[in-house]
Formats: sequence, C-alpha cells, structure tokens
Amino acid sequence: QKEVEQNSGPLSVPEGAIASLNCTYSDRGSQSFFWYRQYSGKSPELIMFIYSNGDKEDGRFTAQLNKASQYVSLLIRDSQPSDSATYLCAFNPSGGYNKLIFGAGTRLAVHP
Amino acid sequence: EPEVTQTPSHQVTQMGQEVILRCVPISNHLYFYWYRQILGQKVEFLVSFYNNEISEKSEIFDDQFSVERPDGSNFTLKIRSTKLEDSAMYFCASRASGGADGANVLTFGAGSRLTVL
Repeated sequence: QKEVEQNSGPLSVPEGAIASLNCTYSDRGSQSFFWYRQYSGKSPELIMFIYSNGDKEDGRFTAQLNKASQYVSLLIRDSQPSDSATYLCAFNPSGGYNKLIFGAGTRLAVHP
Repeated sequence: EPEVTQTPSHQVTQMGQEVILRCVPISNHLYFYWYRQILGQKVEFLVSFYNNEISEKSEIFDDQFSVERPDGSNFTLKIRSTKLEDSAMYFCASRASGGADGANVLTFGAGSRLTVL
C-alpha cells in the first residue's frame, strides 16, 4: 500500500526559529508532492507543491525533494505563532494524478 | 479568490438514515473529489469524479456511498444508511488540470461535519 510517513510531533520551536518538517513516501514512481497546512477543525490549505529534485522557495517556505531517498521536507523560516498548525505531506501515487495520499501530519507549535 | 463551497457545515443524523452532502466546486474545475477525516486521523481519499463518472474510488467508498453531479454546478455525496463510524469531517475538493503542472493542486472546501448518533 502506498503510504506517507510523518513524525506526528508536536514539533515545538521558538518564534523566529526555523521549523523543519519531514516526510517519506513509499511509492518510488510518485512525481508530485504537496505540503498542506491544516488548522484545527479546518480544511487543508495548500502551502507548496514540488515536482523536481532540489529546493523550491516561496516566501518563508522552502520545500525540498529527494526522489532517490523518497524524502520531502518543508522548512519554515522566521516561524510565527500563526504557523502553529498541522502540516500534511501528500503525493500523487504513480500511474496518474487522480488523487492525493496524505500523511497523518506533523503538529507544529511555535511559542513566543 | 474562487472557493469550493460545502453545505451543510454540520449535520447530525440517526444511524440508518440517509445523508446528502453538497458541494459547489470552483466553476472552471474539471476534477472533483470527496475526502473524509475522522477526528484525530488522517485525511482519506474516498472518490474522484471526472466527465460525469467516477474515475477512482477507495475501499472506504462501498455500496452505501454514491456521488452525483446533478447539474452544472453541484457535486453531491450520498450516504445511504449511515453508521456510527461514518462520523467524520467530509471534504469536497476540486482541481482544474489533469497534468503535472501548477494547476494539478486540490482546493478544498471548508468541510461538512457529520455526526451519526
């Protein structure tokens, strides 16, 4: 079964620090990877997507993909208390783009 | 910004009753999805829908579930005979493109919380 593994956390970081969130996936043929943020009781909202090996930056967020190691990460620079949420890693399984498989998420707590 | 709209936001029902959850996807999107999230658990894929038919469904999506796009705007999930374990948040999502590009991202609605008593 195609799976995503994430540390459930909580990951606690002080305000202003870099938060590093990690994810491994089992489907070696996967091409597309996504990071969603989910506040308690709310729906997932897209932060970033990445398709190519290497880094992709968007503001305070950097996604990193290593397909050989089946590993994707998200760095949040200058963490703010408003970043406190659950971060969901997701991917499109190989063979199509018909669905996303989500990890259970890592809970991030940014304390002032 | 375009959004996916879901109704109702919360529904309470008795076990064995039928429930219909409604969604209005983003207007130019072509692919529609239902996901569910049991409290404290991961977001789980239920079904995808394209060109007026189911394109993929999960093991969760058994005979008690059905989806329909009755008109050009609504996308519904019906649960025929609800069970206690159907209690969850149900998310509708949609996306525009079918390929591996920036449009291949899901936009989620706010969710419908279903409570089965």
